[in-house]
Amino acid sequence: SQQGEEDPQALSIQEGENATMNCSYKTSINNLQWYRQNSGRGLVHLILIRSNEREKHSGRLRVTLDTSKKSSSLLITASRAADTASYFCATPMLGSGNTGKLIFGQGTTLQVKP
Amino acid sequence: DAGVIQSPRHEVTEMGQEVTLRCKPISGHDYLFWYRQTMMRGLELLIYFNNNVPIDDSGMPEDRFSAKMPNASFSTLKIQPSEPRDSAVYFCASSSTLGVNQPQHFGDGTRLSIL
Repeated sequence: SQQGEEDPQALSIQEGENATMNCSYKTSINNLQWYRQNSGRGLVHLILIRSNEREKHSGRLRVTLDTSKKSSSLLITASRAADTASYFCATPMLGSGNTGKLIFGQGTTLQVKP
Repeated sequence: DAGVIQSPRHEVTEMGQEVTLRCKPISGHDYLFWYRQTMMRGLELLIYFNNNVPIDDSGMPEDRFSAKMPNASFSTLKIQPSEPRDSAVYFCASSSTLGVNQPQHFGDGTRLSIL
């Protein structure tokens, strides 16, 4: 079964607005990662948050993690048209240790209108 | 730095033909992953290698699929014979084991269409 599930599936906002995407997962994790995929390209790693962290920032990105609710959110502030992409959360497969074997959610498709 | 390089970028072939997808991981990365992405099933892990050795191939859909990693800088994913339902985007990714929780670095994929 899917480890990470994002919502909403699709999000459309105006440039300058904030975008929030959520991810829920089912089992214990040691970290959660967010990736971006532009149309026709591969996934690009955005940010990793460890299980003992509650919040992390990287530029206009803010990620939160609530292990009690098994959920994470990705906030993109002051969105730009270039942020238009699909966003995926990913969590390590149980027992994968340091292999980095990840399970990806279905993704949120974000459209930022100029 | 060169990223993960995949070839070809696009492949269109007829049902029954053999298809070979190629991947060059980032130099120094110990792990290599093959994924398949479709609208219906999302991103699925097919197989991954550690130090050129296949570790987990439980995601390989059928015996028609095979993957090899003859050396640290090259891997192939082969489909023989190909079927229309194999149409998808296939991604290769690599990661380092220098420290825990390393991110994966993806190539731009091979868009495969089986007619």
